[in-house]
Amino acid sequence: DAGVIQSPRHEVTEMGQEVTLRCKPISGHNSLFWYRQTMMRGLELLIYFNNNVPIDDSGMPEDRFSAKMPNASFSTLKIQPSEPRDSAVYFCASRQDSGNTIYFGEGSWLTVV
Amino acid sequence: AQRVTQPEKLLSVFKGAPVELKCNYSYSGSPELFWYVQYSRQRLQLLLRHISRESIKGFTADLNKGETSFHLKKPFAQEEDSAMYYCALTSSGYSTLTFGKGTMLLVSP
Repeated sequence: DAGVIQSPRHEVTEMGQEVTLRCKPISGHNSLFWYRQTMMRGLELLIYFNNNVPIDDSGMPEDRFSAKMPNASFSTLKIQPSEPRDSAVYFCASRQDSGNTIYFGEGSWLTVV
Repeated sequence: AQRVTQPEKLLSVFKGAPVELKCNYSYSGSPELFWYVQYSRQRLQLLLRHISRESIKGFTADLNKGETSFHLKKPFAQEEDSAMYYCALTSSGYSTLTFGKGTMLLVSP
């Protein structure tokens, strides 16, 4: 398996623009996670899906952030409108429910100017 | 609530020196602890999980329930060990991993 696949790897956008980050989890994994990584806060869980259903979105910072998982092989994280403080690395991760190990993608490096 | 504390943001050692990266946790349930490693600009990778009781790349970690710690150790550090190390916790009743803020390990020649 190719692992968790994220796109884009890097994005630079202007404040106010919409940003969409994409994720393809490992085939057969039931759970999908979106994490945000910053120097100040480290790794923060934004949202967690299980069997395509959002289970815990308490980490989503505000209404500008939304996430969807229309099917088992695809998820998006959208920021609209984007702000400079959203600049971070956004990691998608997945896990098979029979185990506890979470596998991460390579991250999407977002810079909002 | 689950919480993971990594008290050191940066640990700098010389090649060949012993390394200990500290991790303390608080939990509500039966804890399962992990160490993840992130090499420069790469994805996080699982390094160790306490239930496996294994040594990976010379690293070991023992779960000490009395001290609520899961420190990561290596007797002789190598330059290629330089990376960001994250301690993480899950427990019964939780489906997600809670991460510490990470410790950057720098191994100098």
